[in-house]
Amino acid sequence: QKEVEQDPGPLSVPEGAIVSLNCTYSNSAFQYFMWYRQYSRKGPELLMYTYSSGNKEDGRFTAQVDKSSKYISLFIRDSQPSDSATYLCAMSAERDDKIIFGKGTRLHILP
Amino acid sequence: GAVVSQHPSRVICKSGTSVKIECRSLDFQATTMFWYRQFPKQSLMLMATSNEGSKATYEQGVEKDKFLINHASLTLSTLTVTSAHPEDSSFYICSARPPLAGGVNTGELFFGEGSRLTVL
Repeated sequence: QKEVEQDPGPLSVPEGAIVSLNCTYSNSAFQYFMWYRQYSRKGPELLMYTYSSGNKEDGRFTAQVDKSSKYISLFIRDSQPSDSATYLCAMSAERDDKIIFGKGTRLHILP
Repeated sequence: GAVVSQHPSRVICKSGTSVKIECRSLDFQATTMFWYRQFPKQSLMLMATSNEGSKATYEQGVEKDKFLINHASLTLSTLTVTSAHPEDSSFYICSARPPLAGGVNTGELFFGEGSRLTVL
């Protein structure tokens, strides 16, 4: 079993819909959870960062962490065509630990 | 947020030549930088951890002599692909962690824009 599992998609949704992106993981030591957005031929851009369990909201984005289920989610409200990108989840056990990335989910927002 | 700059963004070279890619942290000092490789539709594969003033730590399976890493200052790390071959063609990305700020222990990682290497 891989440490981090993420459905590669592609996921296509109509503009304005709520998007749900998810990752599961196997290492219960992970405490730091991140979501990155990567446009084609660009480096990843940090979207959300959370520590331990709980929710975090930033504008149209909400990150959720459920450590008991080893499951993290990223929700995008009022999705826009500009949200079309690959979204990578990432996590680490300690601040200075190696960060483990999911494969990324390709998201297409249809106008 | 923190800014990490990577140069060049694209490079095409002939087989057998060496290529250097630079990674700079523009607004913070980074004692540690990371180098990744990314194949199309694949996730980031950590190649090595670059430590300022000391040798890089390479991941299993990554050839140290092929991928030379130098972290000469707190704001600059370089990756040199030596004797490049077509199979080295890939997207190379660097990243860095800002230092602790205000006592908040964070783990954010900021990435450069990436460098696309094509070896003919």
